[in-house]
Amino acid sequence: GAVVSQHPSWVICKSGTSVKIECRSLDFQATTMFWYRQFPKQSLMLMATSNEGSKATYEQGVEKDKFLINHASLTLSTLTVTSAHPEDSSFYICSAQPTGGGNQPQHFGDGTRLSIL
Amino acid sequence: EDKVVQSPLSLVVHEGDTVTLNCSYEVTNFRSLLWYKQEKKAPTFLFMLTSSGIEKKSGRLSSILDKKELFSILNITATQTGDSAIYLCAVGTGTASKLTFGTGTRLQVTL
Repeated sequence: GAVVSQHPSWVICKSGTSVKIECRSLDFQATTMFWYRQFPKQSLMLMATSNEGSKATYEQGVEKDKFLINHASLTLSTLTVTSAHPEDSSFYICSAQPTGGGNQPQHFGDGTRLSIL
Repeated sequence: EDKVVQSPLSLVVHEGDTVTLNCSYEVTNFRSLLWYKQEKKAPTFLFMLTSSGIEKKSGRLSSILDKKELFSILNITATQTGDSAIYLCAVGTGTASKLTFGTGTRLQVTL
């Protein structure tokens, strides 16, 4: 149980392209999903908290117009990296928290490796 | 600013050894402390701790939380090469249980 699917797993694209990453909870509902970024040999840094049916909450220093988040249903959140540039290249990971409150662990997707040329 | 510190940063042990990984934290509005194992892809959940002094156990892995001293340990007994991974400690805060991660401990188990 508690499977989170993230797609695509790997993207290579040209500078200036917009890239959409999907995060789905397959066997549970998630009112809240989270988006993280991980640089090589570093830990996960929270970018934003995505709440179903409302605007995402972004962490300090994360540009909301650059990283667009949509959480239109209880099982799907998307992150769109707009006009991506080489410095946006990173490993992006989503997590989903089962609906029912904060006393349940977040479950992570397998991540998306984004490479901008 | 919430802070989670893990030690050691990396560790190399022989198969069969016992290891103890440490995690200390300074956060506001603590809810829970979680341990994850990260191999090549995304972290997989190991333990969630909310109460002090109650050990959680799963096979050769166990963990305990001390909310007075603000730390947790993760023990792995009789280590195997398959235990080689990065072990992440994260603290959940606030009603949304936002996670703040430590930098991780890279464990390598050799034959």
